[in-house]
Amino acid sequence: AQTVTQSQPEMSVQEAETVTLSCTYDTSESDYYLFWYKQPPSRQMILVIRQEAYKQQNATENRFSVNFQKAAKSFSLKISDSQLGDAAMYFCAYRSANTGKLIFGQGTTLQVKP
Amino acid sequence: DGGITQSPKYLFRKEGQNVTLSCEQNLNHDAMYWYRQDPGQGLRLIYYSQIVNDFQKGDIAEGYSVSREKKESFPLTVTSAQKNPTAFYLCASIRGTSGTYNEQFFGPGTRLTVL
Repeated sequence: AQTVTQSQPEMSVQEAETVTLSCTYDTSESDYYLFWYKQPPSRQMILVIRQEAYKQQNATENRFSVNFQKAAKSFSLKISDSQLGDAAMYFCAYRSANTGKLIFGQGTTLQVKP
Repeated sequence: DGGITQSPKYLFRKEGQNVTLSCEQNLNHDAMYWYRQDPGQGLRLIYYSQIVNDFQKGDIAEGYSVSREKKESFPLTVTSAQKNPTAFYLCASIRGTSGTYNEQFFGPGTRLTVL
C-alpha cells in the first residue's frame, strides 16, 4: 500500500521569505503522480502544483516549485516570496495512475508572519 | 459554472440515525470520491466510483454506504454502524484516472456533527 508522510505539523515563515515543506512517500508502483494541495480556513481544497513521476524536471507554478527526488521518494514544496495569503494547511498527495485514488499526507500548517 | 456541490454545509445527527450527504457534479467527470477529514489530519478515502453503477471501498469504508445510479451524483450514507462519524466530509471528482492534467476537483464539504 502507498503511504505519504509529512513530518512537519507546523511551519512558519516571514512574509517575503522562502519556506520549504517536506513530503516523503512510499510506493512500489512505477507510474504515479504527486500533488500539493492548499486548504485555507474555508476548507476548500485548492491544487497548488503537480508532478508526473516519469518527468525528471521539477514542476514550477509562479512562486511555487517542487524538488522531486524519485529515488529518495521525496517531494518537497518550496514557496518563494511568501505572502499572507499563503497561510493555510498544505497537503502532499500521491495518486495512483491505475485507480486515480489520492492518498494524502497528514498536512503541514503554514503560518506567514507579517 | 461547472463544479461540485455538496449539501448540506452543516449537518447534525442524533446517535443511531442514518444520514445521507449529497454530492453532485456537472463536470461530466467519470470518477467520484468521498473523503473524510478529522481535525488536524489529512483526508482519508471512504469510497470511490470510476463508472456508473460501480464503486469500491476505500481505506475506511466501514459504517458507510454509497450508490452511483447517475454519473453526476454520488451520495454518501453514514449509517448508525459508524462509531465516530463527526468529521468533515469532502467529495471529489475527476474526468478520468490517467494523466496528470485530470485534476481532481473538490466540493466545499459537509460538516457532520453527531449530537
